[in-house]
Formats: sequence, C-alpha cells, structure tokens
Amino acid sequence: AQSVTQPDIHITVSEGASLELRCNYSYGATPYLFWYVQSPGQGLQLLLKYFSGDTLVQGIKGFEAEFKRSQSSFNLRKPSVHWSDAAEYFCAVGARDYKLSFGAGTTVTVRA
Amino acid sequence: ETGVTQTPRHLVMGMTNKKSLKCEQHLGHNAMYWYKQSAKKPLELMFVYNFKEQTENNSVPSRFSPECPNSSHLFLHLHTLQPEDSALYLCASSQPPGTGGNEQFFGPGTRLTVL
Repeated sequence: AQSVTQPDIHITVSEGASLELRCNYSYGATPYLFWYVQSPGQGLQLLLKYFSGDTLVQGIKGFEAEFKRSQSSFNLRKPSVHWSDAAEYFCAVGARDYKLSFGAGTTVTVRA
Repeated sequence: ETGVTQTPRHLVMGMTNKKSLKCEQHLGHNAMYWYKQSAKKPLELMFVYNFKEQTENNSVPSRFSPECPNSSHLFLHLHTLQPEDSALYLCASSQPPGTGGNEQFFGPGTRLTVL
C-alpha cells in the first residue's frame, strides 16, 4: 500500500523568502504525485501533479516540485512567498486506481 | 455553479438527529468520493462511487450512509452520530479510475459538529 510522510508539521517563513516543503512517499511502482493546498475553511486545491516525464513540474501560484525517484521524494518549492501562501499543504500519492493517500499536512505561516 | 459544491457548509446536530450532506459536481466526472478530515490527521477516504456504483467502503460505521443517484450528485446520510464524528467532510470528484490520472477536485467541505 502506498503512504506519504510530510516530516514538517509547521513551517514559519518570512514574506519574500523561499519555501521548501518536504514529502516522502512509499510506493512500489511509478507513482502519481500531487500537492494540494487548503486555506482555512476551504477544500483542497490542486497546486501541481506529476505523472511521468520531466521530473521538475510547474504548478499554479508560482510553485514547483521535483520528483526524485532515488530519494522517494517530491518536495514542493516556491522562490518567494507571499502572505497569501499561508495555508496547509498536503502531499498525496496515488496509482492508476482511484486511491490517493495523503500526508498529514504541513502548516505554513508567513510573517511580515 | 462551477467545480464541486457542498451544502450545507456548516452543520450542528445532536446525537439523535438525522441529517444529510449534499455534494454536486459540475465537471462531467464519473467518480465521486467522501473524505473525513479531522484535526492533524491525514484525510481518510470513506466512500468511492464510480459511475454511480459504490466501489469502496473504507470500513465506515453504518451510521454514515452514502447515496449516489447519478454521476453528478453524492449524498452522505447521517444518523445517531457520535461526538468523535465531528470533522470536516470533503467531497471530491475525478475522471474514472484507470483513465490515465486520478487528479481529484475537492469541494469546500461541510464542517460537522456533533453535540
């Protein structure tokens, strides 16, 4: 069965600084990988996804993520965070069936 | 309306009440999902429907009863709930499983409080 670990429960970053959120997955074959963001009181919004091909994927809101098979990782990055990036971020892994396994999430706080 | 909508957004109910959550998707998808999100826990998949047929029941207690009358609508009927059932209930939809990608689109959720 697939699983996801997000090692960082909470990250605080200054506005304008770079951000990196870690995601490690466990899955026997080539996974489908996703990053979602959830603002308070809202559902999950897809930031980006990796299915195959180029291991560096670009998403919405200036986010990117890199798939590293050797490290079983799919870390999310943003070069310069904005106050509106304060939210909870979830990494998810899936296969060709419908099941997605989500990590417990990383809460990002942005300080002025 | 666009995307995935859920009503009500907030619900407070007693343990003896019966209520229903509604989800509607306007994306032309054929797979729909119910998730439970509790504080500081990973999302828990509850039910999956594919072309109106239930394909997954993730050991959910019978006090939760799903219904999928068509590919656009999904309900979660609630009865005799427990306080530990208080959570955010999220609905999602996607293209049918195995069609090349299982990107799921989520609604805003229903915040349920059981007194």
